[in-house]
Amino acid sequence: KAGVTQTPRYLIKTRGQQVTLSCSPISGHRSVSWYQQTPGQGLQFLFEYFSETQRNKGNFPGRFSGRQFSNSRSEMNVSTLELGDSALYLCASSLIDWTGASYEQYFGPGTRLTVT
Amino acid sequence: AQSVTQPDIHITVSEGASLELRCNYSYGATPYLFWYVQSPGQGLQLLLKYFSGDTLVQGIKGFEAEFKRSQSSFNLRKPSVHWSDAAEYFCAVGPLSGNTPLVFGKGTRLSVIA
Repeated sequence: KAGVTQTPRYLIKTRGQQVTLSCSPISGHRSVSWYQQTPGQGLQFLFEYFSETQRNKGNFPGRFSGRQFSNSRSEMNVSTLELGDSALYLCASSLIDWTGASYEQYFGPGTRLTVT
Repeated sequence: AQSVTQPDIHITVSEGASLELRCNYSYGATPYLFWYVQSPGQGLQLLLKYFSGDTLVQGIKGFEAEFKRSQSSFNLRKPSVHWSDAAEYFCAVGPLSGNTPLVFGKGTRLSVIA
């Protein structure tokens, strides 16, 4: 099975711009989660999508948004970029059982976003 | 609130020496427990997981971890470290049911010296 793929792998943007990152989960995985990783803050949960609905959200401003499509692919968008948004953005996919619980998450290689 | 503590920010071991990375968690119910490894500039790779049953779980790359409920710990071990094991290691905890997200520790960076 192909793993989680993320595009693009690297991105350089200017303050004030917006950016869209894409994530394709492992086939059959219907949950997609997004994380921001920085040296100072570590791994921080952004949000999770399941069946095209956001079902969990971390503590990030509204500039960070996402969506999921019917094929489980997901995008996240950051508007009005700030220097502090420079980070590695990781996507992870997982199976969901009948209770709604996620199993282990499988991560993509990440998108390295640099804001100048 | 659930939390994961990895007390050691950075550990240095000699190649061939044994390794133990500590993880303590706070969780209101019986959790799922995971260890992930991240090489520089890469995503996280699942090393092993504990859901139930035998408290000693085997993972990839020769790693194992032991779940100790009484100590709320899930420490990662390897009997003989290789230079390629140098990376960042993350412990994570999640629910057995329900839809709350995984909670990750802040990671332990492992350096391996000759």
